[in-house]
Amino acid sequence: KAGVTQTPRYLIKTRGQQVTLSCSPISGHRSVSWYQQTPGQGLQFLFEYFSETQRNKGNFPGRFSGRQFSNSRSEMNVSTLELGDSALYLCASSSFSGTLTGNSPLHFGNGTRLTVT
Amino acid sequence: QKEVEQNSGPLSVPEGAIASLNCTYSDRVSQSFFWYRQYSGKSPELIMSIYSNGDKEDGRFTAQLNKASQYVSLLIRDSQPSDSATYLCAVRNDNKLIFGAGTRLAVHP
Repeated sequence: KAGVTQTPRYLIKTRGQQVTLSCSPISGHRSVSWYQQTPGQGLQFLFEYFSETQRNKGNFPGRFSGRQFSNSRSEMNVSTLELGDSALYLCASSSFSGTLTGNSPLHFGNGTRLTVT
Repeated sequence: QKEVEQNSGPLSVPEGAIASLNCTYSDRVSQSFFWYRQYSGKSPELIMSIYSNGDKEDGRFTAQLNKASQYVSLLIRDSQPSDSATYLCAVRNDNKLIFGAGTRLAVHP
């Protein structure tokens, strides 16, 4: 089975621009989560999608948005980029359907390294 | 109080020793717990998951869970230099995994 695929691997943008990152989950996985990882803050939860619906959102400003398509592929968008948005953005998929006792870990992609100058 | 807390380390152990990594969490209703390993410049990879109180063993790794104390740990036996990485504890909260900041482990020959 192919793993989680994220594109692009690297991006360099300037302040004020916007960016779209893409994620293809493991086949059969309907839950897709996005995380931001920085040296100072660690892995911070952005949002989680299941069957095209955003079920949970982290404490990020509205500049960060996402969506999920019917084939479970997901995109996240960051508008009006700031220097502090420079980070590794990780997408992860899971077969988790919502049961609290579900045995469904996250499987991560290789990430997109975003640099904002 | 952070939802998931780990000692940032570095935890330095000699090759062949047991490395003990600890994690506490704040949400009592959490049911699923995971340990991930992350090498520098790489994405996190799953090592173990645990859902019931007690120990769960997988090769050189043992996860321990104590829900009453809201504590989960990871033991690595016969530590190897290749185990040098950051170990992330994660707790399922609603529809998301909350990660600790990670403990950096250094295994020296």
